[in-house]
Amino acid sequence: DQQVKQNSPSLSVQEGRISILNCDYTNSMFDYFLWYKKYPAEGPTFLISISSIKDKNEDGRFTVFLNKSAKHLSLHIVPSQPGDSAVYFCALHFGNEKLTFGTGTRLTIIP
Amino acid sequence: KAGVTQTPRYLIKTRGQQVTLSCSPISGHRSVSWYQQTPGQGLQFLFEYFSETQRNKGNFPGRFSGRQFSNSRSEMNVSTLELGDSALYLCASSQGTGPDTQYFGPGTRLTVL
Repeated sequence: DQQVKQNSPSLSVQEGRISILNCDYTNSMFDYFLWYKKYPAEGPTFLISISSIKDKNEDGRFTVFLNKSAKHLSLHIVPSQPGDSAVYFCALHFGNEKLTFGTGTRLTIIP
Repeated sequence: KAGVTQTPRYLIKTRGQQVTLSCSPISGHRSVSWYQQTPGQGLQFLFEYFSETQRNKGNFPGRFSGRQFSNSRSEMNVSTLELGDSALYLCASSQGTGPDTQYFGPGTRLTVL
C-alpha cells in the first residue's frame, strides 16, 4: 500500500521555465512535508519543507504548496536552471514515525 | 556545523561475507535512519535508531541489523551478503522529536561480487 505517490517518473522542462513536481498522499495524519533533491551516487539534499498549518512556503527559486483537502503537495522551481536536473523526492512525516518517501521524479532541464 | 559522515565511502565484498557501515550524525542529533537505494529504485527504509533504541523498522530480513552508541553514532551490519545487497546505503540524522528534517550523508556504495 503506497501512501505517497509521485505519478510522474520523469519531467523535462526548458531552461528558464517553471518546473512543477507533484506528490499525492493518502494518510491525513502526515503533518510535515519535505522535498529532497538527489544526484546519482550521492545522498539526498534537503530543499524545502512545509508544516500542515501552512499552505505555502517559499525559499528563493523554490516554492512548496500544500493542499490538505486534496492531499496534494507540489514543488515549483522558477526559473529552472541546468543544475536543477536531478531526481526529486517528496517525503512526509508525522509524530515519531519514519519518514515516508515518494518514488521520485527525474527532472531534466533542457538548455 | 559538520554534516553527516559515512565510512567507508566504497566497499567491495564477496557473497557470504559480512559488512559493517558507520554513520556519524550531525552534532546534537539523536536520531539516525538507514536507507538502501538500488539502481532504479527509490529509498527503501531499513531502520531508525533514537537514543540507542531501534524506534522504527522497515521490511528487511534479519541479516540487516544496526545499533546506536551513546554518542549517537550508528553502525549497520549486513551478514551473509548476497549479490542483491549491492546498493548505495544512506544514513540520515535528525533531532528525532516533533516535525523534523532529516539530513543525509553521502552514502556508502557496497558492491557484492
